[in-house]
Amino acid sequence: GQNIDQPTEMTATEGAIVQINCTYQTSGFNGLFWYQQHAGEAPTFLSYNVLDGLEEKGRFSSFLSRSKGYSYLLLKELQMKDSASYLCAAPTDSWGKLQFGAGTQVVVTP
Amino acid sequence: DGGITQSPKYLFRKEGQNVTLSCEQNLNHDAMYWYRQDPGQGLRLIYYSQIVNDFQKGDIAEGYSVSREKKESFPLTVTSAQKNPTAFYLCASSRSTAETQYFGPGTRLLVL
Repeated sequence: GQNIDQPTEMTATEGAIVQINCTYQTSGFNGLFWYQQHAGEAPTFLSYNVLDGLEEKGRFSSFLSRSKGYSYLLLKELQMKDSASYLCAAPTDSWGKLQFGAGTQVVVTP
Repeated sequence: DGGITQSPKYLFRKEGQNVTLSCEQNLNHDAMYWYRQDPGQGLRLIYYSQIVNDFQKGDIAEGYSVSREKKESFPLTVTSAQKNPTAFYLCASSRSTAETQYFGPGTRLLVL
């Protein structure tokens, strides 16, 4: 299987920036997904990187390096509503079966 | 409104009982998936279906069964063989394999 590693928890203050790192074993299959999951709710799709580099989408940006098996999600201008778990997921086969990390709990404080 | 629905939101199971979780989508997606989430853990794949009348076991299929008789529907049955069924069950769908998966609201299963 695929090993996905991400930090368990990160704390930051409102208005700050937080970077969530995700490392994975390169499987030869492209792409890295990021999802946001609020407590008790389903994950919602944030981003999908298929090529190396940074993709920006409003306050959220995601970076991928396929050769290094490394991605990060950057959350800027943090708001209280950004307190959630952030899951990274990588394909493990050509079919696209995803392996999810355990999630990084981001706590935003006033 | 297009989307994925799951019912019920909460489900209680008695010892030795089979229960079925519903998942319906009107997004015209070919692929559908069932995941299980336990506290502090990532999502684990139970079963997936790439197309109607076809489905494959995921990483933790033991004690579960599925059917895919219609494109829109992918019900999951938790059988009495599943000894630790308490978890949050999430259904997802995608337009085709390897594309972005979108999740339903989930069903929380509890054992009485």
